[in-house]
Amino acid sequence: GAVVSQHPSWVICKSGTSVKIECRSLDFQATTMFWYRQFPKQSLMLMATSNEGSKATYEQGVEKDKFLINHASLTLSTLTVTSAHPEDSSFYICSARALPGQGTGMTGTEAFFGQGTRLTVV
Amino acid sequence: AQSVTQLDSQVPVFEEAPVELRCNYSSSVSVYLFWYVQYPNQGLQLLLKYLSGSTLVKGINGFEAEFNKSQTSFHLRKPSVHISDTAEYFCAVSEIYGGATNKLIFGTGTLLAVQP
Repeated sequence: GAVVSQHPSWVICKSGTSVKIECRSLDFQATTMFWYRQFPKQSLMLMATSNEGSKATYEQGVEKDKFLINHASLTLSTLTVTSAHPEDSSFYICSARALPGQGTGMTGTEAFFGQGTRLTVV
Repeated sequence: AQSVTQLDSQVPVFEEAPVELRCNYSSSVSVYLFWYVQYPNQGLQLLLKYLSGSTLVKGINGFEAEFNKSQTSFHLRKPSVHISDTAEYFCAVSEIYGGATNKLIFGTGTLLAVQP
């Protein structure tokens, strides 16, 4: 249980185009989903937090118009990088926090992570 | 504001030797504590977590961690490491407000490099 699927695992796009990354909780419902960005050999930087049906909360310094987050259901969140530029190239990771009581270990406190998306903008 | 410090960016160790990865945190409220492992080009996998109760927490792959409130630490340990344990390890905290938890804040990570 507690599987988070992130798609695509890697993508190459041209500068100026938009890229959409999907994050799905496969076997549980997620109250909250988080989007992180990770630079090479660095830690995860939280970009935004989203709750189903409401607007995402962005961290300071993250452009909400550039990184569009949609959390349409309890099992799906999407991150769209609009008008991507080479400096947006990075590893993007989503995580989902489960509603408590959905299975063993689902206390509603821990977050489960997708496998990440390697974005390269050329 | 909460913060997480992992002082060691890299820990080299020989196979079958014990290892300790250090984690200290700072917070004005109660926290939950986590250790995650990341293999190259992959997402993060939960190793173990401390929510309440016994301060010694056992996780997957033979890892354990001890919560020390007075020292605000949550060090990760394994008595005998394997080559397959080579990975990046992240300590994370989540503050607790009125029973609900906030976002996860990560440390900078420690690369555990196991050598034969």
